[in-house]
Amino acid sequence: AQSVTQPDIHITVSEGASLELRCNYSYGATPYLFWYVQSPGQGLQLLLKYFSGDTLVQGIKGFEAEFKRSQSSFNLRKPSVHWSDAAEYFCAVGEFTGANNLFFGTGTRLTVIP
Amino acid sequence: DAGVTQSPTHLIKTRGQHVTLRCSPISGHKSVSWYQQVLGQGPQFIFQYYEKEERGRGNFPDRFSARQFPNYSSELNVNALLLGDSALYLCASSPRGEQPQHFGDGTRLSIL
Repeated sequence: AQSVTQPDIHITVSEGASLELRCNYSYGATPYLFWYVQSPGQGLQLLLKYFSGDTLVQGIKGFEAEFKRSQSSFNLRKPSVHWSDAAEYFCAVGEFTGANNLFFGTGTRLTVIP
Repeated sequence: DAGVTQSPTHLIKTRGQHVTLRCSPISGHKSVSWYQQVLGQGPQFIFQYYEKEERGRGNFPDRFSARQFPNYSSELNVNALLLGDSALYLCASSPRGEQPQHFGDGTRLSIL
């Protein structure tokens, strides 16, 4: 069965520091992987996606993620965090058998301190 | 272009009542999916519709139902509301049901 684990419930970083959010997935075939960001009271915004090809993918707002099949991971990184990055981040794996729905992790809440 | 729009933004109901949530997809998108996001959790898949046909259903009771109209807008209906139905309900659309989906801002449903 498909599942996504985000081990860190809450992370606090200083503005300007680097960031890495962890994501591990369980999926029977080649996964389609996504990172979404959610600001309070809002919906989900797609940061980046991995379908195939280059395992290092670039997204919006300066984010990138690396797909590591051997570790079943898809960690999100940003070299220098801005105060506006404070939000909830969700990793998701896509299912493409019939329903084509997404399985989400429980999220990581990012706090940025000045 | 307008994104995915959902109405109402907030809704308060009492246990046992019925609720209808509405979603308008991005223009040209023919597929709509519904997700439930309980506070502190990630979204959980409820339904997907494509060309007015149900394409998939998540692990939700029969109290949850949905439909898609000829203009591709969609309604999610929940009967006999329970306290546990309190959540943010998200709608997402895509051109043909593929990824990635584009999400609306959701409807916040509170059950008293």
